[in-house]
Amino acid sequence: DGGITQSPKYLFRKEGQNVTLSCEQNLNHDAMYWYRQDPGQGLRLIYYSQIVNDFQKGDIAEGYSVSREKKESFPLTVTSAQKNPTAFYLCASRTTPGQGTGTGELFFGEGSRLTVL
Amino acid sequence: GENVEQHPSTLSVQEGDSAVIKCTYSDSASNYFPWYKQELGKRPQLIIDIRSNVGEKKDQRIAVTLNKTAKHFSLHITETQPEDSAVYFCAARPGPGGYQKVTFGIGTKLQVIP
Repeated sequence: DGGITQSPKYLFRKEGQNVTLSCEQNLNHDAMYWYRQDPGQGLRLIYYSQIVNDFQKGDIAEGYSVSREKKESFPLTVTSAQKNPTAFYLCASRTTPGQGTGTGELFFGEGSRLTVL
Repeated sequence: GENVEQHPSTLSVQEGDSAVIKCTYSDSASNYFPWYKQELGKRPQLIIDIRSNVGEKKDQRIAVTLNKTAKHFSLHITETQPEDSAVYFCAARPGPGGYQKVTFGIGTKLQVIP
């Protein structure tokens, strides 16, 4: 059953700690994305990656870091430098041009809710 | 970079009425415009999309229109039902080639009143 899996679903962090959110997909998608969702602010792009070992900053990358060592995996680290990390984080993947058929629709994970205590 | 504006932020309609959500985009290089629906506590899912070479697309009760000149696209839902209640997001993405950044609007919370 193909899909995109995020873990953990809920995470609590003390101030000053780094945390890493996991995102794994078995859809054979090249492109992967991390979004942050806050009430009234929609989905804001943190980082995205179109291919292994390459990633780009989105609109709100400060205080976050990512890696893309494997096609299937795109973990997001929320560092202590992120001033307001409490939020709902969504990972997504999609096909890229030339990668078979399809509209290039984004497939989202179920999200990870991070709360800083 | 691309900027997508969406309005209204909230919308209440009576069951059976129509709902319209509007978005504008800034980057003329954008050529793919999807709409996602997010039900409470669930992940966003694609409901309809349109490419820049098409002016309108329909799928049963939902339709999307695109005005490239005005950089404006809209979602139309007819004969609304309670299960249409959700948050709807518009998005824009550039064409093939280069970095495929997908930019979303702030979302519209649609409430269908039975």
